[in-house]
This record gives sequence, C-alpha cells and structure tokens, in this order.
Amino acid sequence: QSALTQPASVSGSPGQSITISCTGTSSDIGAYNYVSWYQQFPGKTPQLMIYDVNRRPSGASIRFSGSKSGNTASLTISGLQAEDEADYYCSSYTNRATVVFGGGTKLTVL
Amino acid sequence: DVQLSESGGGLVQPGTSLRLSCAASGFTFNNYAMSWVRQAPGKGLEWISGITGHNTATYYTDSVRGRFTISRDNSKNTLYLEMNSLRAEDTAIYYCANSLHVVVPAAAEHWGQGTLVTVSS
Repeated sequence: QSALTQPASVSGSPGQSITISCTGTSSDIGAYNYVSWYQQFPGKTPQLMIYDVNRRPSGASIRFSGSKSGNTASLTISGLQAEDEADYYCSSYTNRATVVFGGGTKLTVL
Repeated sequence: DVQLSESGGGLVQPGTSLRLSCAASGFTFNNYAMSWVRQAPGKGLEWISGITGHNTATYYTDSVRGRFTISRDNSKNTLYLEMNSLRAEDTAIYYCANSLHVVVPAAAEHWGQGTLVTVSS
C-alpha cells in the first residue's frame, strides 16, 4: 500500500490562493470519493478540513476547498492567512478497504 | 462535545505486547466506524487499522496485519488495539479517530490526544 504523493512543501503570500496536489492510483483516489484533507500544527492533533473530496465538516473555514480529477485530488486554500501555516495531509479509501495517507505538505506563508 | 481519550501507551521491549484503549463520549459510538492512526516522531500520518460501527468488519494496513487486532465494545463506548510482536518501527504516537461514516473508516472527524508507544530495548 503505497502512500499518496504530495509535494513536500508549498508556499504563498497572504491573500493569495495555493493548491496542494495529492496523486494516487485507480485503486484509491480514482476509485472512490473518499478523499480527505487534514491540517496539523506542530505538536498538535490533526484536524479534518475536507472530506468526501469536497465537503467541509462543521467549523472548517470556507477558504478551504477540495476537488478531484482522475487519480489526483487537490486542496485549495484561498485568501491565504498566516494562521494557515501548517502541515497538510491527504488521505483516501482504497480498494483493499484500507485508508492511505499522503506524505504531507508543509505550507509556508511568506 | 465529542471526546476521544487514548490510554495504554508506554515503553516496551521489542517482541512484547501492549493494549491501547480509546474511551469515547459525546456521540452515538456505534453509528461510526473508528480508526487507529499513528505518527512516528517527526514523520507523517499512517493509518493502521479500522473497524465498522457495528463491529461487522475490521481492516489493517499490511505492516501490522497479523500482529495487531482492533476491536470495540459498543456497550462501553471503547475502542481497543491489541499490539503483539512489537518492533522498533512501531514507535509512534497512536491516535484513535472516529469516521464520519458507519462502514468506511475514512474522514476522521475527531481525534484523541494520542498515546505514545516506544519500543526499545
């Protein structure tokens, strides 16, 4: 079960929009609409930001949105803020009834 | 408020066993699938096991299948992870998390604070 592929880092300036990609296969992202995105600050518990590709859980900021095309999912953060600086992880359900995470992306707000 | 609280972590020697527990409150426990996710020091998240809300099926990642056993007691609102034949590479913070779905252990909405398992001689 290979991890999903994410860029190690992305950066953007306040007010800009950034997109983090998450590439899987036809056995995970391409097969199901069970893609999730998590935000994690250093030393803190992960927080669900997007689930089922593009749904926001209660309390998540509307500046966060998700999408999927083929075997690749994306997280877009609009109106970037300093408080968005964190690590972001994607995950997907797989055809083996397991869940696989991406390696994580460190977002730096310049 | 939803609360998940893990316990049972600690320092153990390679080859030994440990049982983690996760006490849940604030939601209808048997309506949701549950997962165990771990994070090695300085590393990313790794999903290791899941169980359906009504205890009908269990799932494991390859690296723990045959060594770890997930279970739940819906009458006690508690999730468990029995870990056997522990290895150094199992050293991590172990989180329990509840899914937004009954069957699919995806979309971990709430997470516990985690319990640290250290496997070392």
